[in-house]
Amino acid sequence: QQQVRQSPQSLTVWEGGTTVLTCSYEDSTFNYFPWYQQFPGEGPALLISILSVSDKKEDGRFTTFFNKREKKLSLHIIDSQPGDSATYFCAASPNSNNRIFFGDGTQLVVKP
Amino acid sequence: EAAVTQSPRNKVTVTGGNVTLSCRQTNSHNYMYWYRQDTGHGLRLIHYSYGAGNLQIGDVPDGYKATRTTQEDFFLLLELASPSQTSLYFCASSDAGQSSYEQYFGPGTRLTVL
Repeated sequence: QQQVRQSPQSLTVWEGGTTVLTCSYEDSTFNYFPWYQQFPGEGPALLISILSVSDKKEDGRFTTFFNKREKKLSLHIIDSQPGDSATYFCAASPNSNNRIFFGDGTQLVVKP
Repeated sequence: EAAVTQSPRNKVTVTGGNVTLSCRQTNSHNYMYWYRQDTGHGLRLIHYSYGAGNLQIGDVPDGYKATRTTQEDFFLLLELASPSQTSLYFCASSDAGQSSYEQYFGPGTRLTVL
């Protein structure tokens, strides 16, 4: 059973545009939601994360929003740059056993 | 910053072959993980460990064994490799009990089973 569902599977945006990735989950015990960024040939790396006590977290051009009632979260990238081209993974964790459940990823291409 | 290294970076074997993937982390993290990454499936957890001698089963453990020999070293063993195990394998580590549950990933091992 897929614990974390992510969409879209792939996305192309123009440089300077806004990218929006979405994610949903089912397990109410999840309370930690990280987003990982992966460039070709590298392992994933933490981009931004949010706890369920918050509804928004911002880090430069990257903002993640969390909706506990709807069990949904999103990642917004403003002023998207070609260097943002990567695969983005939404993830969720109950924080009780150090397990993180990953979505299937979104492959983002930012065209100049 | 945590450092996680994996070896080999690339491996080709034949069906029925015996393969060992190695992972070492140098920041004394408690937890270590083995994932496989396949197109359309994201990252799937194979096995993980919270210390030397400990092993926990992940979501896709069939056909894999793992062993955590020290705090630093975690091995993934494929004793009878099959073509379905052709994949990109990642090791990761994290530090339990901290405010952050960030997992630090290695660079990956690409395994091809012919």
